[in-house]
Amino acid sequence: AQTVTQSQPEMSVQEAETVTLSCTYDTSESDYYLFWYKQPPSRQMILVIRQEAYKQQNATENRFSVNFQKAAKSFSLKISDSQLGDAAMYFCAYRRGIIQGAQKLVFGQGTRLTINP
Amino acid sequence: EAGVVQSPRYKIIEKKQPVAFWCNPISGHNTLYWYRQNLGQGPELLIRYENEEAVDDSQLPKDRFSAERLKGVDSTLKIQPAELGDSAVYLCASSLDSQREGQGNEQFFGPGTRLTVL
Repeated sequence: AQTVTQSQPEMSVQEAETVTLSCTYDTSESDYYLFWYKQPPSRQMILVIRQEAYKQQNATENRFSVNFQKAAKSFSLKISDSQLGDAAMYFCAYRRGIIQGAQKLVFGQGTRLTINP
Repeated sequence: EAGVVQSPRYKIIEKKQPVAFWCNPISGHNTLYWYRQNLGQGPELLIRYENEEAVDDSQLPKDRFSAERLKGVDSTLKIQPAELGDSAVYLCASSLDSQREGQGNEQFFGPGTRLTVL
């Protein structure tokens, strides 16, 4: 079974600085997707960024980027120029590829990010 | 475009009472998911529907949980009777087509229902 591990229960960063959230995963599959979701106090999960395992290029979305190390099974999220609105729980998630048929997301335990003004 | 709608947002019940949650997915989305999120943890899948058919319910405690998705649109998740350990946030998500590559299989989440069992 696939597992996702986030080893940082809490992180904090000064506003406008850069922070990196860590995630490792375990799988024997070669075709899969990785995601970072943000969950503010409103509880709604919001997709931040996604990475297809077959793509070597790291995904970027504005101030958010990932460092995808497939051999090491590592998938970290870097947030540049941190803003107060970035404060939330961040979840790393894994999903098998379409061919494998299983479409559920497997989530890590989450990292609570605090932005200090 | 309206997102995934869930109701109620909060529910407090006594143990052994029944409770039901409702979800309206994004219009046109074929796949619907129910996840349970315990305090301080990530969500875990309970059941997935492809249109009206439940195709993955291996994590659903079938002795007390039931779900339905009539006409392949709205869905309800029921617990009867509720136990103290059922206190959690119940999240509904939908995707356009889980069998499609790329953004077509992206899951969009609702705001969830926070259940407290006393």
